[in-house]
Amino acid sequence: EAGVVQSPRYKIIEKKQPVAFWCNPISGHNTLYWYRQNLGQGPELLIRYENEEAVDDSQLPKDRFSAERLKGVDSTLKIQPAELGDSAVYLCASSPTVIGYGYTFGSGTRLTVV
Amino acid sequence: AQSVTQLGSHVSVSEGALVLLRCNYSSSVPPYLFWYVQYPNQGLQLLLKYTTGATLVKGINGFEAEFKKSETSFHLTKPSAHMSDAAEYFCAVGIGNTPLVFGKGTRLSVIA
Repeated sequence: EAGVVQSPRYKIIEKKQPVAFWCNPISGHNTLYWYRQNLGQGPELLIRYENEEAVDDSQLPKDRFSAERLKGVDSTLKIQPAELGDSAVYLCASSPTVIGYGYTFGSGTRLTVV
Repeated sequence: AQSVTQLGSHVSVSEGALVLLRCNYSSSVPPYLFWYVQYPNQGLQLLLKYTTGATLVKGINGFEAEFKKSETSFHLTKPSAHMSDAAEYFCAVGIGNTPLVFGKGTRLSVIA
């Protein structure tokens, strides 16, 4: 089966510009996660979706970050405007709605804000 | 809330030597525990997991981990390191249906 697909792999933008990341989860996985991984750190949750509903977005900086998962399949994460501190790897993961199943991660999008 | 501590941000071993990566967790209820591996410029790949049952779990690439409730630990081991094991390793804890919380990671270097 195809894994979690993310695009783009790399993105370099100037500060104050907008940027968007796209994620297509594994078919049949109802739960989708966006994590942010800063250099030398572990992933930190930004938002979790159950189907099309955002059920955990307490860590999402809502003044500049937004996300959507229309039709409960693929998802888009947007930053507007980007700041230098947003430079990180943005990871998407998906899982079935089974407790303890574990997540499948995409390859991530490495964002550099200059 | 649950948390994870990985002892040692960098571990270096000789090829053929034992690999031991340490992970301690904090959780008020029985946790689910995971180890993930991340190769450069890639996402995280599941190595192994503990949910219930046998406390010694075996994963891919010869790795295994043992859940020790009394020590709140879930250390990752491999009897003999291979050059291809060089990567970043992350321990993660989950409770119920809440999102996984990851440790800061341990970078494993393997010396020829």
